[in-house]
Amino acid sequence: GENVEQHPSTLSVQEGDSAVIKCTYSDSASNYFPWYKQELGKRPQLIIDIRSNVGEKKDQRIAVTLNKTAKHFSLHITETQPEDSAVYFCAASKGTGGFKTIFGAGTRLFVKA
Amino acid sequence: DGGITQSPKYLFRKEGQNVTLSCEQNLNHDAMYWYRQDPGQGLRLIYYSQIVNDFQKGDIAEGYSVSREKKESFPLTVTSAQKNPTAFYLCASSVGQRMNTEAFFGQGTRLTVV
Repeated sequence: GENVEQHPSTLSVQEGDSAVIKCTYSDSASNYFPWYKQELGKRPQLIIDIRSNVGEKKDQRIAVTLNKTAKHFSLHITETQPEDSAVYFCAASKGTGGFKTIFGAGTRLFVKA
Repeated sequence: DGGITQSPKYLFRKEGQNVTLSCEQNLNHDAMYWYRQDPGQGLRLIYYSQIVNDFQKGDIAEGYSVSREKKESFPLTVTSAQKNPTAFYLCASSVGQRMNTEAFFGQGTRLTVV
């Protein structure tokens, strides 16, 4: 069935270093790939998204890359700060055939000061 | 805050009882969703609704039921048939009838069976 695999499940970095989280999706019809950040005790919130007609998108310290051929997309956070500590979820969805958004299992990011 | 409200924040249920979780949005969104969040398993889709008076099963619908009588409301009932209901439940909404846009989440309801 459809699934999204996300790695690593836990990531610890030093403040100022970069963090990379990788996801692989199975449904080649997926065309929308959002990333959500969930801080402890709070709701998930969108931080960046990318559509299948784009290979890369950047917003300040965060960027997402998409490789449609490999069905792989990644989140890159540069110059990490303690407030980046949270759980990050990738997701994949398609707009046809009865949509569903499939989420990855999440990556818990720790940024050490 | 966020335009989508879930209540209650914490809910305790005795075994064999049905409970209903509330989800209300004032964002004028057509689509609404219910997800279950368990540690290490991400967000799993229970039910979703693209429009009033219509809803579809997600991946883990067994033991759950929903209704969509009003655009702004999408309550979830956890029935006694749900074998392992203790979890964190998140409601979400999005603009269109297809979730190909940003989803806005409520703050969640933590359900515990006692």
